[in-house]
Formats: sequence, C-alpha cells, structure tokens
Amino acid sequence: SQQGEEDPQALSIQEGENATMNCSYKTSINNLQWYRQNSGRGLVHLILIRSNEREKHSGRLRVTLDTSKKSSSLLITASRAADTASYFCATDWNGGYQKVTFGTGTKLQVIP
Amino acid sequence: DAGVTQSPTHLIKTRGQQVTLRCSPISGHKSVSWYQQVLGQGPQFIFQYYEKEERGRGNFPDRFSARQFPNYSSELNVNALLLGDSALYLCASSTEVQGAPGANVLTFGAGSRLTVL
Repeated sequence: SQQGEEDPQALSIQEGENATMNCSYKTSINNLQWYRQNSGRGLVHLILIRSNEREKHSGRLRVTLDTSKKSSSLLITASRAADTASYFCATDWNGGYQKVTFGTGTKLQVIP
Repeated sequence: DAGVTQSPTHLIKTRGQQVTLRCSPISGHKSVSWYQQVLGQGPQFIFQYYEKEERGRGNFPDRFSARQFPNYSSELNVNALLLGDSALYLCASSTEVQGAPGANVLTFGAGSRLTVL
C-alpha cells in the first residue's frame, strides 16, 4: 500500500510558471523526500526534509513540511520543459535501515 | 563512478515461470532496496537488505524472495509468475545522509521491465 498521496494527480502548466504539488501521508515520519521520474526510468532524489524542519530550498525547489497535518508541498519555480516528469514524495518513518515508502505521484507537464 | 546497474533491462516470461533480477549498488553503498512499479502507480516497497541481512519486507507474497551477496550486489527472485507481476522492478542503493542520521536517500537504477504473458 502507498504511504502517501500526491495531489493533483496530473498538472499541466506553461514554461516559466510555478508548479505546486502536495503530498499527504498517514503515519509519523522521520524524514520526507521528493523524487522525480522521467518516463518510466529510475527515480532521482531531489530533496530531503527532516521532521523537525518546516521549509527547505534547493535551487528552484522549495519544500514545506507540516507534521501536524501530515502533509508536504513541493514548489518548482520558473518551470522549464525539462521539468516534465512524475514527482513522488517518499517517507521514512522508522528511520535507520527501514523502508522508504512512496506516494502515488504527480505527473507534471511543462508546455514550452 | 558507476551508478546502480540492473540486469536484464527487459525480459518476457510466461505465467508459472521464474525470474531472477540482478542489481549492483554504487560502490560503498551497503544497503539495497527493491521496488515494484506498475504502470501509472508509485513504486511499491518489496525488500531492503543491509550487510546481507533483510531489514525490511513489504506486503508481497512468498513467491518474492531476495538476497544480498558479500560484495553488496543483490538478486530478486520471483517464482510462479502471474500476469499481475508485469511491472518495472527498481533497485536502489543507499547510505546515510550527512546530518540526517537514519535518512535513507535512495539512488535508483534504470530498472528491469518484466512482462508476463
């Protein structure tokens, strides 16, 4: 079963616009991560936010975490056609060497 | 430095057959995780191994098994294949993130796409 659910399931925007994706999860977590997947290939790690952090930035990415609402958001600013991909949140609630569980994903299309 | 490598990249099997998928982690990574991704869905956790020991198991039947070797490479075996086993099987290796103890940041291979007819 999926630990998280992303919203929306699909998003289509024009190049240069911002894209916001949301993730809700079910259990307490140690860390939350976001990954990107291009067209059926392997996933690529984007950013990690720890449970005691509320916001984190990396380049054009901004991630927020609200543990009281069990939710996170990923903002991609000034989107580019190359950002077209599926984006997944992933939670690691046992920490250490336990499993990382992925959400259902948001499919982002950036139109040039 | 080589990334995570998986083999084979594509394979076709018939129902009832058995399959073995292979994964070589990034050099220095001691943990390997396996995921199943059905088209249009997120990856589903199957197994995690660390130092040749199973550290986590997902909600998959006993037809799925795995092992990790002394060089940290890993194999995933699926017996008595069903049509529903058709999926992309992803292997990921990991190590701890500096400053975030216990965080399991995954580096994925390109996957093995299994089709069961």
